[in-house]
Amino acid sequence: QKEVEQNSGPLSVPEGAIASLNCTYSDRGSQSFFWYRQYSGKSPELIMSIYSNGDKEDGRFTAQLNKASQYVSLLIRDSQPSDSATYLCAVNTGNQFYFGTGTSLTVIP
Amino acid sequence: DAGVIQSPRHEVTEMGQEVTLRCKPISGHDYLFWYRQTMMRGLELLIYFNNNVPIDDSGMPEDRFSAKMPNASFSTLKIQPSEPRDSAVYFCASSLQGPYEQYFGPGTRLTVT
Repeated sequence: QKEVEQNSGPLSVPEGAIASLNCTYSDRGSQSFFWYRQYSGKSPELIMSIYSNGDKEDGRFTAQLNKASQYVSLLIRDSQPSDSATYLCAVNTGNQFYFGTGTSLTVIP
Repeated sequence: DAGVIQSPRHEVTEMGQEVTLRCKPISGHDYLFWYRQTMMRGLELLIYFNNNVPIDDSGMPEDRFSAKMPNASFSTLKIQPSEPRDSAVYFCASSLQGPYEQYFGPGTRLTVT
């Protein structure tokens, strides 16, 4: 079992819709959770971090964490074509840092 | 403020040659990370440093790989000898306090023929 799992997609949503990205992790002791965005040919860019159960909102982005169910999600409201990218979920467990393989999102104009 | 700087941006070399990748972290960040990204394996953490000291190198694939951080503003990742399966994009990242919010450099695309 991988430490961090994501649906690879591709996920397609129309412009203006809500995009929902999900991630599960295997270690209950995981402490910190992150979402990175990676455009094709570019480096990962941190967009959200969440450390406690519940929701965290930043502009059009909302991260949700449920430690009991071991999942973390990212909602993107009012999706724009510029949101088209691969979204990587990352989890910090002890001294280690694990990335999922990413979900490819396409926002259709 | 300058971000993480990596050089070279592209490297093409022949099998058996030594390859050295370089990284300058964001000033004031005391954690530095080296990652490798391939289509097959995704983004893998190779090694990371805290205050120039290696903390975890369990991701280094084999003895052909080595990393150093001689001072707070410079790190190298060396592959000797290089093999075609080492072809990947290598990223350096840094963070301010712990393996938490990391900021990535532009990466080095390595091709070993």
